[in-house]
Amino acid sequence: DGGITQSPKYLFRKEGQNVTLSCEQNLNHDAMYWYRQDPGQGLRLIYYSQIVNDFQKGDIAEGYSVSREKKESFPLTVTSAQKNPTAFYLCATDGGVNEQFFGPGTRLTVL
Amino acid sequence: QQQVKQSPQSLIVQKGGIPIINCAYENTAFDYFPWYQQFPGKGPALLIAIRPDVSEKKEGRFTISFNKSAKQFSLHIMDSQPGDSATYFCAATYTGRRALTFGSGTRLQVQP
Repeated sequence: DGGITQSPKYLFRKEGQNVTLSCEQNLNHDAMYWYRQDPGQGLRLIYYSQIVNDFQKGDIAEGYSVSREKKESFPLTVTSAQKNPTAFYLCATDGGVNEQFFGPGTRLTVL
Repeated sequence: QQQVKQSPQSLIVQKGGIPIINCAYENTAFDYFPWYQQFPGKGPALLIAIRPDVSEKKEGRFTISFNKSAKQFSLHIMDSQPGDSATYFCAATYTGRRALTFGSGTRLQVQP
């Protein structure tokens, strides 16, 4: 995990609520990623950012939003438009040589 | 074309056995193939990776075999230990994309 922190570790959301997951890194990496992991499935890419103030949609961006105002931070907002948000969310970074480092994850549950 | 198909879904071996996990891909542009290990409740960690200019790579007890013509690659764990019990993911990407495409994962259990 080293160098990447995600908070909170567990998050509970009521129907219709927006929630924001935090991802912070001190690795000085330019690129940051958000993945979603569901039981029995691989990781699926939600959004990624290669530089500050720029980000691109991944394969499952609907119902999610991000910002990249600082190199160290890449928060993910799960909006009420995401109909099935219960999952394990993973943030990752890379320093430009393909190797991605993952944070410890946030487990989001909809009540 | 972005898919990476991984098998088996789960695997049980005895201590000292050699579990083999297989992945197949379609996109011939893929040029980087990492394997990640994930323990319950944790983020994945890079285990070993290979590029298509070599057919095999070893790091400790972990070996990747790569078959470019068949578009397949596999992970072998030599002398497996109970501490190797985890979920293993293969992945792929290509130069310029950076984001990884993951397989569906294999849950490995090594029995004492």
